[in-house]
Amino acid sequence: DADVTQTPRNRITKTGKRIMLECSQTKGHDRMYWYRQDPGLGLRLIYYSFDVKDINKGEISDGYSVSRQAQAKFSLSLESAIPNQTALYFCATGGTGTYNEQFFGPGTRLTVL
Amino acid sequence: QKEVEQNSGPLSVPEGAIASLNCTYSDRGSQSFFWYRQYSGKSPELIMFIYSNGDKEDGRFTAQLNKASQYVSLLIRDSQPSDSATYLCAARTGGGNKLTFGTGTQLKVEL
Repeated sequence: DADVTQTPRNRITKTGKRIMLECSQTKGHDRMYWYRQDPGLGLRLIYYSFDVKDINKGEISDGYSVSRQAQAKFSLSLESAIPNQTALYFCATGGTGTYNEQFFGPGTRLTVL
Repeated sequence: QKEVEQNSGPLSVPEGAIASLNCTYSDRGSQSFFWYRQYSGKSPELIMFIYSNGDKEDGRFTAQLNKASQYVSLLIRDSQPSDSATYLCAARTGGGNKLTFGTGTQLKVEL
């Protein structure tokens, strides 16, 4: 089984709808991250969490919220989706070791019409 | 100026050649650096990281770090068509809490 899973893998929705993307991991990592990827813009950090009680905004948090339900689960919500939130979304996990390497889930392709 | 910069490419090399991918960074406080490979439509996959000046080799891959010049490079020896992908460079920044990614270099290995 994959160490980092994301659901759903693909989603098409309409403007104004609420959407939740879910991430689960079995790597035992404390740190979890949400990124979006757009052509030409690379990976941009939305939110990150270092434990269940710690949530931090990334560089593009407007229009998004997150919930860390457990060490292994980190959800991203779009309260009212808009077309420019159409992107590929990745969850990542990282340990607390010296190098802070991150490991990515398979991604969710979200289309907002 | 972006914190981590890469040439978007595409970089085309013939099969069997050495591919050289470069990355520069602006935060002198960055301490470790990562190379990820991403196939089209797939997630980034960590292939190497480096934190000391000099070279680090792993199979056909060599990462090079020059902190004085603020650049990182990835060499791929004996390039194969399966190496065709986008390579993302990342730097550990923000006091070590985050990775900042470049926009990636597309590599094409031609038969």
